[in-house]
Amino acid sequence: DAGVIQSPRHEVTEMGQEVTLRCKPISGHDYLFWYRQTMMRGLELLIYFNNNVPIDDSGMPEDRFSAKMPNASFSTLKIQPSEPRDSAVYFCASSFWETQYFGPGTRLLVL
Amino acid sequence: DAKTTQPNSMESNEEEPVHLPCNHSTISGTDYIHWYRQLPSQGPEYVIHGLTSNVNNRMASLAIAEDRKSSTLILHRATLRDAAVYYCILSYNNAGNMLTFGGGTRLMVKP
Repeated sequence: DAGVIQSPRHEVTEMGQEVTLRCKPISGHDYLFWYRQTMMRGLELLIYFNNNVPIDDSGMPEDRFSAKMPNASFSTLKIQPSEPRDSAVYFCASSFWETQYFGPGTRLLVL
Repeated sequence: DAKTTQPNSMESNEEEPVHLPCNHSTISGTDYIHWYRQLPSQGPEYVIHGLTSNVNNRMASLAIAEDRKSSTLILHRATLRDAAVYYCILSYNNAGNMLTFGGGTRLMVKP
């Protein structure tokens, strides 16, 4: 298995632009998680899905952030409009049993 | 949420055993002890987890105190590749368990 796939791996954008991060979970996994990692706040859970349905989005920082999972093999995390404080590494993870498998992350820089 | 306390950093020599401690004095009866690690520029990866009994796998061993208020992750022979941040996390043991990452312990391995 290729593991969790994230794209792009790096993204540089300007403040105010829309950013879309993509994730392909491991086939057969029915849970998908989005995390954000910064030096100041560490790793934070933003939202997670079960069978494509959002279960808990209490970690989403504000309305500028939205996440979708249109099918079992694809999820997006969108930031619109982006701000410099959104600069971070965003990780996607998936699980079937209790172990979460993380992708390589998307490093986002908002100028 | 029950919290964990870990040292910020530890050093080890290559090919020597490493004992990474974790205190979790407010652990509840249903909390499993999970360990993940994050290698530089990578997403976290699962290491091991347990409830009450000591656990062994190909990566490490987990020693859990009898009162469950502390645990120790044991790497039997540290290699340079084991240099990472190690996170001790309390969580339910199910597919949708939410992982709350603390600061972790940064392990440095000296050749």
